[in-house]
Amino acid sequence: AQKITQTQPGMFVQEKEAVTLDCTYDTSDPSYGLFWYKQPSSGEMIFLIYQGSYDQQNATEGRYSLNFQKARKSANLVISASQLGDSAMYFCAMRGGVTGGGNKLTFGTGTQLKVEL
Amino acid sequence: DAEITQSPRHKITETGRQVTLACHQTWNHNNMFWYRQDLGHGLRLIHYSYGVQDTNKGEVSDGYSVSRSNTEDLPLTLESAASSQTSVYFCASSESSRRSGNTIYFGEGSWLTVV
Repeated sequence: AQKITQTQPGMFVQEKEAVTLDCTYDTSDPSYGLFWYKQPSSGEMIFLIYQGSYDQQNATEGRYSLNFQKARKSANLVISASQLGDSAMYFCAMRGGVTGGGNKLTFGTGTQLKVEL
Repeated sequence: DAEITQSPRHKITETGRQVTLACHQTWNHNNMFWYRQDLGHGLRLIHYSYGVQDTNKGEVSDGYSVSRSNTEDLPLTLESAASSQTSVYFCASSESSRRSGNTIYFGEGSWLTVV
């Protein structure tokens, strides 16, 4: 069975600073994918970044980067130069491979990020 | 543009009533999913389908059913609504290939209140 753990229910960061949101995962499948989604107060799920388990380099998308440490089974999201609009709930999720549930996503419980002036 | 839409976006219903939430996607994706979101639980999988006539139970399937008669639609039915099913429901779709990477699309969510 797959499991995603997000241990930070809430985080505060000052505007323009970087912040790291933690995510650890557990799977026995050698092939899997890791996702981060942003959910603003309006409720929609916004895809941020994806990391495949066989990708050699950490994924980056603009101000978002994924710090992928395979041996530690961690996939932390780093947001650089935080903006007020980054205030939202952030979810880490995993998609398994053949034995790990196929295309289904397993989500963590989320981290509520608040960016302050 | 291709999209995934849910309806209704907001609904209040009474305990015991049957409720159906619609999900329609124009991506021509084989895979479709229903999740519910509750505080402290993140999103949990209710049911999913990998193609027409295929349906599977997810983590929290009790009290819910789905049917897949075509590629575009996966309606979610609450057979007899209970207050514990008050939640936000998300539909999602994706390509079949596991090499599809990040091509998983979510609907905007359906807020259901059971009174």
